[in-house]
Amino acid sequence: EVQLVESGGGLVQPGGSLRLSCAASGFVFSTSWMNWVRQAPGKGLEWVANVNPDGSERNYLDSVKGRFTISRDNAKNSLYLHMNSLRADDTSVYYCARDRAYCDRASCYTVLDSWGQGTLVTVSS
Amino acid sequence: AIQMTQSPSSLSASVGDRVTITCRASQGVRNDLGWYQQKPGRAPKLLIYAASILEGGVPSRFSGSGSGTEFTLTISSLEPEDFATYYCVHDYNYPLIFGPGTKVEI
Repeated sequence: EVQLVESGGGLVQPGGSLRLSCAASGFVFSTSWMNWVRQAPGKGLEWVANVNPDGSERNYLDSVKGRFTISRDNAKNSLYLHMNSLRADDTSVYYCARDRAYCDRASCYTVLDSWGQGTLVTVSS
Repeated sequence: AIQMTQSPSSLSASVGDRVTITCRASQGVRNDLGWYQQKPGRAPKLLIYAASILEGGVPSRFSGSGSGTEFTLTISSLEPEDFATYYCVHDYNYPLIFGPGTKVEI
């Protein structure tokens, strides 16, 4: 059974830093793209970042570029999100999600088939 | 970035009703689109990917269609457990963008 467990959330002051972790089990982590998706209180879903299996390709939402860094440790089956210069609008539940990926002759598609329970990050003074 | 809209933003329906939710992209995204269901306090759940492929284990009353800029999610006969918020998301390029959601209420 695929399991994703996030940790590291909490209360942080504006301008501060935080590192989120996601512990993965039940699948071959080292061959999976991984994502972070967030949800502000009472709001919709917002994709934040993803990373390819070997960590050499990373993509980000424009509003977090230069402030957030996604990384992974395949030996530890773990995904991370390093967040710096945090702002009030970064306050959200942060989910990690596995991309099972599906490819046909035309394209490859993002398939976020497994999600963690989320960890809450609150940015406030 | 590509913008995604959904309509309606919310709807009221009864068990047994047929429900259709529309998702529109600000530019063509081929069929690079997924649908997710989310219940309060829970993580999202994948329903459909590549616009029309039903995820394993998802009831067949859910279906997706469309390509380019207009997509639909249809629930053929609403069940009590289907009351939730539904999101589309394109994966045509980065950043991936979710629609604002459609809340299906009793």
